[in-house]
Amino acid sequence: SQTIHQWPATLVQPVGSPLSLECTVEGTSNPNLYWYRQAAGRGLQLLFYSVGIGQISSEVPQNLSASRPQDRQFILSSKKLLLSDSGFYLCAWKGQGTQPQHFGDGTRLSIL
Amino acid sequence: AQRVTQPEKLLSVFKGAPVELKCNYSYSGSPELFWYVQYSRQRLQLLLRHISRESIKGFTADLNKGETSFHLKKPFAQEEDSAMYYCALRNSSASKIIFGSGTRLSIRP
Repeated sequence: SQTIHQWPATLVQPVGSPLSLECTVEGTSNPNLYWYRQAAGRGLQLLFYSVGIGQISSEVPQNLSASRPQDRQFILSSKKLLLSDSGFYLCAWKGQGTQPQHFGDGTRLSIL
Repeated sequence: AQRVTQPEKLLSVFKGAPVELKCNYSYSGSPELFWYVQYSRQRLQLLLRHISRESIKGFTADLNKGETSFHLKKPFAQEEDSAMYYCALRNSSASKIIFGSGTRLSIRP
């Protein structure tokens, strides 16, 4: 069966430090992958999505970037974190075509 | 541009009362609509999708293209329905999926 893993579950980082959040999927190939940020009052904001290795679509101009070095690996990064980057980050995957998305457990990021 | 609007941040109803969670969308193409639910301490998960036209846990949702709405309904609310509900829209290429701001449903005993 397919599974999705996100880590770490929580992260506390100082302003100006780099960031790397990882998401991996098992049990499927060539999934569509997504990064969302969940903020109170703003719901789920789509940050990036990828339909294949090396293919990244950015939805919101910001301090973050995403990469997909392998078929089932999706990484969210930043070179220098801002206070406004605090939030809850969710990774999701879906199969090809009209399949629904499946979400990970999320990472709570706190910037000090 | 794609947009999903959930006008209610919080909806509180008594157990046994009817529930309607509103969702309106904006999309120039042919959309696919979903409702996702997040129960306390659980992952966000799919509740239902408009193409299935099914009832899940007593919930139904009908796509109204004229009103560009996809409201979620249940005739008799149960306490276990308390959760965060998100409406989502997928574009015709089936890749990009955006969500509304969510509605927290609270069922009072």
